[in-house]
Amino acid sequence: RKEVEQDPGPFNVPEGATVAFNCTYSNSASQSFFWYRQDCRKEPKLLMSVYSSGNEDGRFTAQLNRASQYISLLIRDSKLSDSATYLCVVNSADGGFKTIFGAGTRLFVKA
Amino acid sequence: EAGVTQFPSHSVIEKGQTVTLRCDPISGHDNLYWYRRVMGKEIKFLLHFVKESKQDESGMPNNRFLAERTGGTYSTLKVQPAELEDSGVYFCASSQVTGLAGGQYNEQFFGPGTRLTVL
Repeated sequence: RKEVEQDPGPFNVPEGATVAFNCTYSNSASQSFFWYRQDCRKEPKLLMSVYSSGNEDGRFTAQLNRASQYISLLIRDSKLSDSATYLCVVNSADGGFKTIFGAGTRLFVKA
Repeated sequence: EAGVTQFPSHSVIEKGQTVTLRCDPISGHDNLYWYRRVMGKEIKFLLHFVKESKQDESGMPNNRFLAERTGGTYSTLKVQPAELEDSGVYFCASSQVTGLAGGQYNEQFFGPGTRLTVL
C-alpha cells in the first residue's frame, strides 16, 4: 500500500462545476499536509497548506480528517485554467523528516 | 523575488557518462531538497539539506548519486556513472522552515526541474 494514495482520475467536469478530491495517508505520525498543482511538464506549485481546522482560499477549500487519515480539496466554480494535476503532499517527522507525494489526480475542466 | 532555479533544463547523456545538476534555492532558504520523478510514477524524495549539512539522504537510490551543498547556498547533484533507469525529471525545492515542531508548516517551493535522459 502506498503511503499517500489519490484517485488518479481523470475527472472531467464542465466549467462552473464543483469538484472534490480526496487523499488518504497511512502514517499516523504525519503532521503537515499540502495540495500542490502541477501543469503538464511543469514543476509542482503550492496551492494551499491544509490546516487542522480546515481552510479556504477563494474557490478552494481544504479539509483534514486526522481520525480517518484523509485530506480533501474542494474546487467551486471550476475554471478552464483549473485543468491540471493536483498532488497531495504529506510531511511526517517519524524517523526523520520526510515528504511524501501522492501520484496526483488529473482534472480536466471543459467549456 | 527570484524563485528556485535549476540548470540545465534538459540533459541527454549516454549510459556510463557523468552528469551534474545544479539548484539555486530561494535566497534565505536554509532547507534544500532534491526529488525525482520517473516516467509514470509519483515524485520521490531523494535528500534534504539544512544549510550545508545533509539532514536526510535516505531517498538516494545508490552510491552513483552524490549531492553537495558547499557553503549552504546552491547545491549540485552528480550522477556517475549514469544508468538508463536514472532517466526522469529531477526537481529541487527549498523552504525556510525546518521540521514540524510548534505547528510550523514546511511549505516547499519547487524549481522547474531538470529533465535527464540517459540513452
